[in-house]
Amino acid sequence: GNSVTQMEGPVTLSEEAFLTINCTYTATGYPSLFWYVQYPGEGLQLLLKATKADDKGSNKGFEATYRKETTSFHLEKGSVQVSDSAVYFCALSDTYAGGTSYGKLTFGQGTILTVHP
Amino acid sequence: DAMVIQNPRYQVTQFGKPVTLSCSQTLNHNVMYWYQQKSSQAPKLLFHYYDKDFNNEADTPDNFQSRRPNTSFCFLDIRSPGLGDAAMYLCATSRGSRTDTQYFGPGTRLTVL
Repeated sequence: GNSVTQMEGPVTLSEEAFLTINCTYTATGYPSLFWYVQYPGEGLQLLLKATKADDKGSNKGFEATYRKETTSFHLEKGSVQVSDSAVYFCALSDTYAGGTSYGKLTFGQGTILTVHP
Repeated sequence: DAMVIQNPRYQVTQFGKPVTLSCSQTLNHNVMYWYQQKSSQAPKLLFHYYDKDFNNEADTPDNFQSRRPNTSFCFLDIRSPGLGDAAMYLCATSRGSRTDTQYFGPGTRLTVL
């Protein structure tokens, strides 16, 4: 079956530090890969996505590249801000034998990021 | 310009007292999903609708039911809430392919006394 593994958290950084959150996946088909972010007390919102191998998703200074050879989709940002403090979820959406997945997501366990001034 | 709206944002109920959470969308998406999320854990999919076609996850307790009377609205009914059902409930929508983004509502925080 499909699965997503994220690096253990929580992650604590100082403002302007470099961020990497590792994400690896297992999938049977041709998945799309997503990073969602959840700010305290809110729902999830899409941060970025990539729908095929070697695609790079980017948004708000965050980037992630879909690496099929290493089954990875690591999230990076060159200089984090206090406002980036949130929970980050890596997720995949795959096709399933015999029909559509209806866009169902398989989530990683989430990584809590705290950025200090 | 809210796209996925959930009401109420906070719901308090008593042990065993039925509760209904609502979700509405302005995106005209085919698929609506209900998730349960506890303590910054990953959201757990309970069920989803593709139009009126209902799809239940295998491990969703019978205590949880859902209704989708039209494209815009979807309801989550918890027939007899237990203490373990206290959680954030998230509604999401998408067009339903593997490349489509899911759009989440702000969630309803359910407390069971």
